[in-house]
Amino acid sequence: EPEVTQTPSHQVTQMGQEVILRCVPISNHLYFYWYRQILGQKVEFLVSFYNNEISEKSEIFDDQFSVERPDGSNFTLKIRSTKLEDSAMYFCASTEGEVPRNYGYTFGSGTRLTVV
Amino acid sequence: EDQVTQSPEALRLQEGESSSLNCSYTVSGLRGLFWYRQDPGKGPEFLFTLYSAGEEKEKERLKATLTKKESFLHITAPKPEDSATYLCAVQDHNTDKLIFGTGTRLQVFP
Repeated sequence: EPEVTQTPSHQVTQMGQEVILRCVPISNHLYFYWYRQILGQKVEFLVSFYNNEISEKSEIFDDQFSVERPDGSNFTLKIRSTKLEDSAMYFCASTEGEVPRNYGYTFGSGTRLTVV
Repeated sequence: EDQVTQSPEALRLQEGESSSLNCSYTVSGLRGLFWYRQDPGKGPEFLFTLYSAGEEKEKERLKATLTKKESFLHITAPKPEDSATYLCAVQDHNTDKLIFGTGTRLQVFP
């Protein structure tokens, strides 16, 4: 079964440093997403991306965040200057279409980001 | 404002003891309601998508149903391997985002 792959699985960074979280979505999927889950809290939407541009973003996704699809397979989330409150599990997801019919949104296993 | 409330927060079952998890939601127009399973330290694993009231879907010991205000995830004769957190999420018709509930943490004991 196709998977969404995320790397690294765990990243520790110092406050103020830049981090890049990487994702390889399922190959024939066209819509890409980032979500995050702070420990013990709900999964929260960050951003959606289609046709090489952001289609929607949440209030969390401020100027410190950016996304990019640098080539035909990778999808990245960059946090420019990390804060302690950015510590969370970050999930990448992808779907084949705007309204997923068969498999919903496929999520990766996540990157645990710890800011110290 | 779109909202999702799941109950109970936690559920302990004996193996074979059937039960139901509830997801109440508020959206202006439902594009889809999604059920996911999440194991500790892992990403949500897709279970079902429901699109309209009256729809039902089944997979092994799980059955999901949908009304205009809530969805139920019925677990029949659960096994210890069904232990996980079950997440419900909704998508409004005019947005890309999924709104998740806080989940129901299910523990099934042998």
